Amino acid sequence: EPEVTQTPSHQVTQMGQEVILRCVPISNHLYFYWYRQILGQKVEFLVSFYNNEISEKSEIFDDQFSVERPDGSNFTLKIRSTKLEDSAMYFCASSDAGVAEAFFGQGTRLTVV
Amino acid sequence: TQLLEQSPQFLSIQEGENLTVYCNSSSVFSSLQWYRQEPGEGPVLLVTVVTGGEVKKLKRLTFQFGDARKDSSLHITAAQPGDTGLYLCAGARGYNKLIFGAGTRLAVHP
Repeated sequence: EPEVTQTPSHQVTQMGQEVILRCVPISNHLYFYWYRQILGQKVEFLVSFYNNEISEKSEIFDDQFSVERPDGSNFTLKIRSTKLEDSAMYFCASSDAGVAEAFFGQGTRLTVV
Repeated sequence: TQLLEQSPQFLSIQEGENLTVYCNSSSVFSSLQWYRQEPGEGPVLLVTVVTGGEVKKLKRLTFQFGDARKDSSLHITAAQPGDTGLYLCAGARGYNKLIFGAGTRLAVHP
């Protein structure tokens, strides 16, 4: 069964460092998303991406964040200068018809120390 | 601000009992998804409801979307220990994002 895959599963980084979280969405999907979940809290929307551009972003997604689809299969989230409060699970998701039927990856646990 | 309120927050029941989880909002959603999430893993899609009043069944799970597309419920019949987990509802308004509820943590005891 097709699935969204994310790497790495766990990333530890020092405050101020750049991190890149990687995702391979389901191959025939057209819409791509990043969400995050701080421990014990709700899943929060960060950004959506369609047709090689950002469709919508939340207020969390400030200038320190960027997304890219560098080739036909990968979708990345970059955090330029990490802060302690960026520590969370980051989930990539993809969909073939807008938001309906959004499938999530297993997540990357980011720990900023 | 669009909010989805889930209730109850926690539910602890015995095997064989029935239960209902609610997801309510003051906003209209174009669709609503129910997910199940295990600790340390990503949400797994259970069902999507789109039409007001729609009812979908998945084995012992019954999902309903309110007529006004503002609320939804998940009913589990004869719960089993394997149903234990965190159940999340997520509403879509437009095509670009999901608004998640805080979840209902269900524990089913043998």
